[in-house]
Amino acid sequence: AQSVAQPEDQVNVAEGNPLTVKCTYSVSGNPYLFWYVQYPNRGLQFLLKYITGDNLVKGSYGFEAEFNKSQTSFHLKKPSALVSDSALYFCAVRDSGGSQGNLIFGKGTKLSVKP
Amino acid sequence: DAGVIQSPRHEVTEMGQEVTLRCKPISGHDYLFWYRQTMMRGLELLIYFNNNVPIDDSGMPEDRFSAKMPNASFSTLKIQPSEPRDSAVYFCASSPKSGGPYNEQFFGPGTRLTVL
Repeated sequence: AQSVAQPEDQVNVAEGNPLTVKCTYSVSGNPYLFWYVQYPNRGLQFLLKYITGDNLVKGSYGFEAEFNKSQTSFHLKKPSALVSDSALYFCAVRDSGGSQGNLIFGKGTKLSVKP
Repeated sequence: DAGVIQSPRHEVTEMGQEVTLRCKPISGHDYLFWYRQTMMRGLELLIYFNNNVPIDDSGMPEDRFSAKMPNASFSTLKIQPSEPRDSAVYFCASSPKSGGPYNEQFFGPGTRLTVL
């Protein structure tokens, strides 16, 4: 069965510092991995995805994520955090053998960036 | 494109009443998804459609919930009768068929449902 875990409910970072939001996954085949961001009272917005190829994926708003197959991880990173990055972040996974509808979301990590 | 459109944005109703949530997917998208988000359970997939046909409704909590997609540009999620535990934010999302499982989903702004 597919699953995704975000081990931290909340991550606190000072503005200007690097940030990491962690995600680990479990699938039977090859994973397709996604990150979404949710600002207060808004829907989820797509940030980036890993399908195949380069393990470092770059996305919107300066975010990037690194796929690590041996550790089954897909951590979200940003070199310098902004206060406006404060939001809820979701990792999601789909098995390459799965249907297009079968996208499994983690429980989300609340990122708080302080000035 | 206007993105995924949901209405109403907020709904307050009393227990036992019927509630209908509406969604207009992005034009040209073949897949439509309904999710529910709560603090306790996070984001849950309720049902999804492909070309207006329900593909997987295993996430629908019980018979009080039903969803329809009469055409490619409109879907409804109905709860009858509603209960306080149905209070949540309900999201609709859509995605194109081209690219298959590589595709991300595009989410609407959600409907915040409160059942008193």
